[in-house]
Amino acid sequence: NAGVMQNPRHLVRRRGQEARLRCSPMKGHSHVYWYRQLPEEGLKFMVYLQKENIIDESGMPKERFSAEFPKEGPSILRIQQVVRGDSAAYFCASSTGTGAYEQYFGPGTRLTVT
Amino acid sequence: AQSVTQLDSQVPVFEEAPVELRCNYSSSVSVYLFWYVQYPNQGLQLLLKYLSGSTLVKGINGFEAEFNKSQTSFHLRKPSVHISDTAEYFCAVSERGTDKLIFGTGTRLQVFP
Repeated sequence: NAGVMQNPRHLVRRRGQEARLRCSPMKGHSHVYWYRQLPEEGLKFMVYLQKENIIDESGMPKERFSAEFPKEGPSILRIQQVVRGDSAAYFCASSTGTGAYEQYFGPGTRLTVT
Repeated sequence: AQSVTQLDSQVPVFEEAPVELRCNYSSSVSVYLFWYVQYPNQGLQLLLKYLSGSTLVKGINGFEAEFNKSQTSFHLRKPSVHISDTAEYFCAVSERGTDKLIFGTGTRLQVFP
């Protein structure tokens, strides 16, 4: 029973490029959450998605960031025109649904912007 | 707005000694409480959670935590730590009716032989 999968595990981008981070939830999970962990900080909520729906994006920066969870395939977190301040670890978590009370985390994608 | 405070950024302790990692939260509504552990270069693993009922919650790896509503605390304890417990520990809350987790800044537990 595979857990939450994220790829790539490490991603290096130059300033101005685009970064695409992928997350495949656990089997049977239809809800996905994205969190960002800046160096020496805790995780910050970014966005919560169901299949084809954004439920809560209150933690997403207003510009350059977008997320989707299509009917088929993984959830994608997209960062356009990356800047050095986007360097962080991005974690995806999944759950069976609202009120499930337990989120299962992936290993994270470490984004480095040079 | 909710917030979580982990006062100790680092806790050094010798093997087989007891440990307590402190967590305080603030919220105007009822919350659920969680402790996660993060080993180097890995994702977070749930140690334990408090949803309702008994205020003493037992988790994996011999950890337990006690919910104290009057002090808005949810401290994590283990009576005897192992070298393998060396990791980062995060306390988190979620407001009842929502699913997003609000995390503290973490406590790095370093166990020495």
